[in-house]
Amino acid sequence: KAGVTQTPRYLIKTRGQQVTLSCSPISGHRSVSWYQQTPGQGLQFLFEYFSETQRNKGNFPGRFSGRQFSNSRSEMNVSTLELGDSALYLCATTGDQETQYFGPGTRLLVL
Amino acid sequence: GEDVEQSLFLSVREGDSSVINCTYTDSSSTYLYWYKQEPGAGLQLLTYIFSNMDMKQDQRLTVLLNKKDKHLSLRIADTQTGDSAIYFCAETPRAGGSYIPTFGRGTSLIVHP
Repeated sequence: KAGVTQTPRYLIKTRGQQVTLSCSPISGHRSVSWYQQTPGQGLQFLFEYFSETQRNKGNFPGRFSGRQFSNSRSEMNVSTLELGDSALYLCATTGDQETQYFGPGTRLLVL
Repeated sequence: GEDVEQSLFLSVREGDSSVINCTYTDSSSTYLYWYKQEPGAGLQLLTYIFSNMDMKQDQRLTVLLNKKDKHLSLRIADTQTGDSAIYFCAETPRAGGSYIPTFGRGTSLIVHP
């Protein structure tokens, strides 16, 4: 099976812009989770989608949103970007034994 | 709280054993996990242990679980330079029916010749 894919891999934006990141899960995996990873805060959970519905949400402001499509692909959107949004954004799908399978991430730099 | 704690750094000599330690908080977690992250990559599942086990061995990897002390360790035998990476411990608390894993901050393993 192909792994989790994320696009784009790298992105540079300026403050105030918005960005959309995409994640394609492993075939057959219906749960998609998003994480933000920064050196200061570590790995922080953003939200989880299952069957096109947001099932869990982390403690992030409303500027962070997501959605999931009927084919389980997911997108996350960050509006009004701030410098502190610079991070590695990781997508993961859930397999057996609740294990998480991660994509390579999208590295976002906000200038 | 839901903190998973790990030491930040570990330095070992090539060929030695590495032991990475972790403490977790939620005794309801069914599984506990170790993930590895190499530079520029996402996290890769290394191994996991079911909470009713106290040891699991998988080639060079040995996981020890002490439920009483909520302590998890990962031992890497014959550590190689390719093992240099960040290692994350994770648990999946059951609070509220959620199965969202809680990750530690990661331990940077540095293997030197």
